[in-house]
Amino acid sequence: DVKVTQSSRYLVKRTGEKVFLECVQDMDHENMFWYRQDPGLGLRLIYFSYDVKMKEKGDIPEGYSVSREKKERFSLILESASTNQTSMYLCASSPMLGTEKYTFGSGTRLTVV
Amino acid sequence: GQSLEQPSEVTAVEGAIVQINCTYQTSGFYGLSWYQQHDGGAPTFLSYNALDGLEETGRFSSFLSRSDSYGYLLLQELQMKDSASYFCAVPSDDKIIFGKGTRLHILP
Repeated sequence: DVKVTQSSRYLVKRTGEKVFLECVQDMDHENMFWYRQDPGLGLRLIYFSYDVKMKEKGDIPEGYSVSREKKERFSLILESASTNQTSMYLCASSPMLGTEKYTFGSGTRLTVV
Repeated sequence: GQSLEQPSEVTAVEGAIVQINCTYQTSGFYGLSWYQQHDGGAPTFLSYNALDGLEETGRFSSFLSRSDSYGYLLLQELQMKDSASYFCAVPSDDKIIFGKGTRLHILP
């Protein structure tokens, strides 16, 4: 089975800090995604990547950036964390674009104080 | 634009049957997926309908009507472990768009 591993389950950061959320997948998937999940808003796509060093904006990219230096690793960066970025962050991967099946990590619950 | 509508909450009794509906508006439709997410857990893929009709996988079935832009997830013989959120989703050329999710409450 594909495994998607997010490095932290819980994080607490201060406003203005630079925050790195890490995601690693072990099945050589081409595509990786970052979503945030908030009550009543569902899963919203922040950024995705279909190849090393390639990135595409999702629906809510403001305040975030990403890095994909290696195929297996996709990092989400909060350049200057704000309280409205307190959320659950979910990483996902898939073998190809247009697939109906993603494999998700267990999520990182980030609290910005 | 693309949107999916599903009820925010549904309540059913253990052992019963429940249906979670999803209507969608998309440009370029390939099919409808369903995901399950338990509290604190990762969303996990349940099913995918590319064609009209009913697909059955054990206690879970999923239905699609492309002409009505409508689908549903049917859960039979409900068990307490089915308490979770269920998301309908549509894949596009480069990503999946998710609905906001339906929280399923199961009463003993």
